[in-house]
Amino acid sequence: EPEVTQTPSHQVTQMGQEVILRCVPISNHLYFYWYRQILGQKVEFLVSFYNNEISEKSEIFDDQFSVERPDGSNFTLKIRSTKLEDSAMYFCASREFLNQPQHFGDGTRLSIL
Amino acid sequence: SQQGEEDPQALSIQEGENATMNCSYKTSINNLQWYRQNSGRGLVHLILIRSNEREKHSGRLRVTLDTSKKSSSLLITASRAADTASYFCVTIFNQGGKLIFGQGTELSVKP
Repeated sequence: EPEVTQTPSHQVTQMGQEVILRCVPISNHLYFYWYRQILGQKVEFLVSFYNNEISEKSEIFDDQFSVERPDGSNFTLKIRSTKLEDSAMYFCASREFLNQPQHFGDGTRLSIL
Repeated sequence: SQQGEEDPQALSIQEGENATMNCSYKTSINNLQWYRQNSGRGLVHLILIRSNEREKHSGRLRVTLDTSKKSSSLLITASRAADTASYFCVTIFNQGGKLIFGQGTELSVKP
């Protein structure tokens, strides 16, 4: 069965550095999402992306964050000037059509030192 | 709030027993989904039930939906240790399709 893949599985970065988290959604999917989960807390929506543009973003997704689909397969989340509180699991998800389930990757654990 | 609220927050049972988790929500929905998250891993979609359905089965899973009460339940029959995970009910409120997660039910199945 097709899967959403995320790389790296664990990223350790110094505070203030930029980090790019990568995702390869399922190939025929049209809608893409990023979520994050701070340790011990709920999974939180960050951003949704459709037709090469952001369709919705949460209040967490400020100017520090950006998303891009640089080619036909990758979907990236960039965090500029990382802060300690950005430490979390970041999950990518995709789905084919509206009202279909979202398929999640295994996540990238981001640790900011 | 938009999110589903799961109950109980934690549930501990013996292998072979049934596990029932409940979910309540506050606004009208198109569908409701249940997801599972094993510790430190991604979320796995379990089952989707549409607003015009009352019950749905998938293997050892049975989901019910009562839109008049704005509630849903997930039953796992003949539980196994591998069912140990957090379970979330999720509703979709807008065309963008973002999922809003609650705290979930943390299920522990003891061998």
